[in-house]
Amino acid sequence: DVKVTQSSRYLVKRTGEKVFLECVQDMDHENMFWYRQDPGLGLRLIYFSYDVKMKEKGDIPEGYSVSREKKERFSLILESASTNQTSMYLCASSPIGQSGVGNQPQHFGDGTRLSIL
Amino acid sequence: GNSVTQMEGPVTLSEEAFLTINCTYTATGYPSLFWYVQYPGEGLQLLLKATKADDKGSNKGFEATYRKETTSFHLEKGSVQVSDSAVYFCALPGGGNKLTFGTGTQLKVEL
Repeated sequence: DVKVTQSSRYLVKRTGEKVFLECVQDMDHENMFWYRQDPGLGLRLIYFSYDVKMKEKGDIPEGYSVSREKKERFSLILESASTNQTSMYLCASSPIGQSGVGNQPQHFGDGTRLSIL
Repeated sequence: GNSVTQMEGPVTLSEEAFLTINCTYTATGYPSLFWYVQYPGEGLQLLLKATKADDKGSNKGFEATYRKETTSFHLEKGSVQVSDSAVYFCALPGGGNKLTFGTGTQLKVEL
């Protein structure tokens, strides 16, 4: 069965800390994504990656960075955590679609609920 | 770019009631359309999809028909159960290999 695994279900950190969220997929997918989910705002894309060492900004990249050193692993980094980054973070992966069109479904991990105090 | 609008929730129904969650879209061409479900405490799971106009996607008793005339992809189920309580997201390709998601509709099913 396909699987996207996020390293932590719950995480509590302090303001100003550097925070790492890890995501691993076992499906050999080229694309990986980080979203945050907030009540009333749905899912918002932070960053995505379509290949090793490649990354593109999503809709809300400010305050975040990412790393993809291996195909199966995509890390989200909060450089200096702030209280407004308290949220649910979701990782997803998908294969490349035909003609580069996003017609492939994404597979999600169970999420990391991050609290910044 | 492509966008999707879905009805706001929460939607509260009694068990065995009929469910409709509305979703309309704006898109270039005829992209695939998706419904995802998020059960409490979990990530999103693909519920169903349709890849072209007039296609009907179905899974677990849920159905949605890709209607290009009305640019809609409404989710329906004839008889909901308590276990269907979740948040439902409509989605479509948003450029490149990205997906654009609706804001989600929370469904609560009561006995």
